Amino acid sequence: DGGITQSPKYLFRKEGQNVTLSCEQNLNHDAMYWYRQDPGQGLRLIYYSQIVNDFQKGDIAEGYSVSREKKESFPLTVTSAQKNPTAFYLCASSIVESNQPQHFGDGTRLSIL
Amino acid sequence: ILNVEQSPQSLHVQEGDSTNFTCSFPSSNFYALHWYRWETAKSPEALFVMTLNGDEKKKGRISATLNTKEGYSYLYIKGSQPEDSATYLCAFSSLDNFNKFYFGSGTKLNVKP
Repeated sequence: DGGITQSPKYLFRKEGQNVTLSCEQNLNHDAMYWYRQDPGQGLRLIYYSQIVNDFQKGDIAEGYSVSREKKESFPLTVTSAQKNPTAFYLCASSIVESNQPQHFGDGTRLSIL
Repeated sequence: ILNVEQSPQSLHVQEGDSTNFTCSFPSSNFYALHWYRWETAKSPEALFVMTLNGDEKKKGRISATLNTKEGYSYLYIKGSQPEDSATYLCAFSSLDNFNKFYFGSGTKLNVKP
């Protein structure tokens, strides 16, 4: 079945540690996105990519890094510079054409030990 | 960062009640307004994409209207059922970059049997 797979579902990070969240899609979508959700807030865009080997910062990129070496993969690294990483992270993908919805994975919940 | 607001934050209704909630967004530079339904432990699912002022969309018992001049959209659910319980998100995109979505914080609907 076509879809977006995020892993792991739950992740724990120690202080000062980098962790990487995986996002894979087999929908043949060009665009991929990473969002963060905090309680009581909407989804906030961290990074997005509209084509392989290119990506742009979203509204809250500080403390995060991404790569887009393959069309189907868009991993997100939460670095030690991100001082408040505890949140729910959602990955999405879409066709790069007007009026297309984004399709979402099931999310990864990151917590600090 | 563009401001997208949803109200109410949460809503509790009885089975069979009809309900509606609001999404407010910037009235300038409008490109599209997206509605999503997000059930607990699942990924957000696209409901509607709305682009034209006065647009009305319908999917079963759920419908939506759009007013781009004043910057709001309403989502209506007729005869709510327990399976309608979910968080309903709206997302705005602008002419500057229609692939970049700005999400509201959602309306959490609970339908009691």
